[in-house]
Amino acid sequence: ELKVEQNPLFLSMQEGKNYTIYCNYSTTSDRLYWYRQDPGKSLESLFVLLSNGAVKQEGRLMASLDTKARLSTLHITAAVHDLSATYFCAVDDFIGDDKIIFGKGTRLHILP
Amino acid sequence: NAGVMQNPRHLVRRRGQEARLRCSPMKGHSHVYWYRQLPEEGLKFMVYLQKENIIDESGMPKERFSAEFPKEGPSILRIQQVVRGDSAAYFCASSPLGSHKGEKLFFGSGTQLSVL
Repeated sequence: ELKVEQNPLFLSMQEGKNYTIYCNYSTTSDRLYWYRQDPGKSLESLFVLLSNGAVKQEGRLMASLDTKARLSTLHITAAVHDLSATYFCAVDDFIGDDKIIFGKGTRLHILP
Repeated sequence: NAGVMQNPRHLVRRRGQEARLRCSPMKGHSHVYWYRQLPEEGLKFMVYLQKENIIDESGMPKERFSAEFPKEGPSILRIQQVVRGDSAAYFCASSPLGSHKGEKLFFGSGTQLSVL
């Protein structure tokens, strides 16, 4: 059974700092997704990573995928308050009918 | 193109009643996923459907819960004889061709179910 683990689960950081959120998964997959959720809201797609070594960047966020290590990272550069949200990684379960399994999420709080 | 539409937005039920949650996927999307989210927790997979077919229901409790996605009309998640532990936000997501094509999911706004 595919397991997706994120760490840290909670992160409080100052504006202007850099940080990385990690997403590990337990079985083979080369399709990984990052989503953002604001409190009380739905989920919004950030990145789709479809191959080993894939790197995507949007503004202050950059995501990468290492399928050999079964690891994805979401890097935040020079954080700003607007990036405060919960970030989820999700992995396509190849073995399990291609359902998408989510991690528990990383709750990011950026202090002004 | 309207997004994924879920209704109702909020649903209050008493213990033992039935809850029906509806999800209309985006136009042209034939793959629907249902997830459940408890406060301060991630999304737990429940069921994955295509039109008229259940592809994977491994995340759904065997009793009281059922889901369908008919040829016409919305997908329905049905919870019979609700209990307090069913209180959660239920999110529906859709995609055109399914995740095996590497497509992201489009999420609805969710239905918040509260069981009294």
